[in-house]
Amino acid sequence: GQQVMQIPQYQHVQEGEDFTTYCNSSTTLSNIQWYKQRPGGHPVFLIQLVKSGEVKKQKRLTFQFGEAKKNSSLHITATQTTDVGTYFCAVDAGNNRKLIWGLGTSLAVNP
Amino acid sequence: NAGVTQTPKFQVLKTGQSMTLQCAQDMNHEYMSWYRQDPGMGLRLIHYSVGAGITDQGEVPNGYNVSRSTTEDFPLRLLSAAPSQTSVYFCASSYSNDSPLHFGNGTRLTVT
Repeated sequence: GQQVMQIPQYQHVQEGEDFTTYCNSSTTLSNIQWYKQRPGGHPVFLIQLVKSGEVKKQKRLTFQFGEAKKNSSLHITATQTTDVGTYFCAVDAGNNRKLIWGLGTSLAVNP
Repeated sequence: NAGVTQTPKFQVLKTGQSMTLQCAQDMNHEYMSWYRQDPGMGLRLIHYSVGAGITDQGEVPNGYNVSRSTTEDFPLRLLSAAPSQTSVYFCASSYSNDSPLHFGNGTRLTVT
């Protein structure tokens, strides 16, 4: 079945450093969603990308969808302690009824 | 709006016991789903529903039953709890099956 690889699994940064997580698929994706889960919390929707080459920004967060629609990235500029958590990508499984989730990237930020 | 409400927040069961995890949403969402989250495994889909009266299996359905008699409610039943079902369970809903998911706060289940 379809799988999505998310890297890295863990990232530890100093506050103020940048952070990037990548989501890669072997098949063309119709769309991709990004979620953030704080420690002890539940996943919270961040954004959905649909178009080839799409770039969307939310304050210090930049989301990109690859030209071939097989990969995506989430970049955080100048991390803050409030960015701590696990970032997940989720993609349509192809039958339009299920999401396939990456294993997530856990971000730790040293103050 | 309360969003997605899950109860209970915590539960401890003995092997072989049964229980129902409750999930309700007040957003009139058609799509509802249950996930389990285990360390290193990410989120795995157990069952989902695209509308009242319609349910289907996800990635890891064994040992769990669901029903969708109303748009609002989507309970998850564990028929005979096993230690392998120790996990955090999340209910989620969305307007349609490709819309962003709204998650409940989760139920932390321990089976001894």
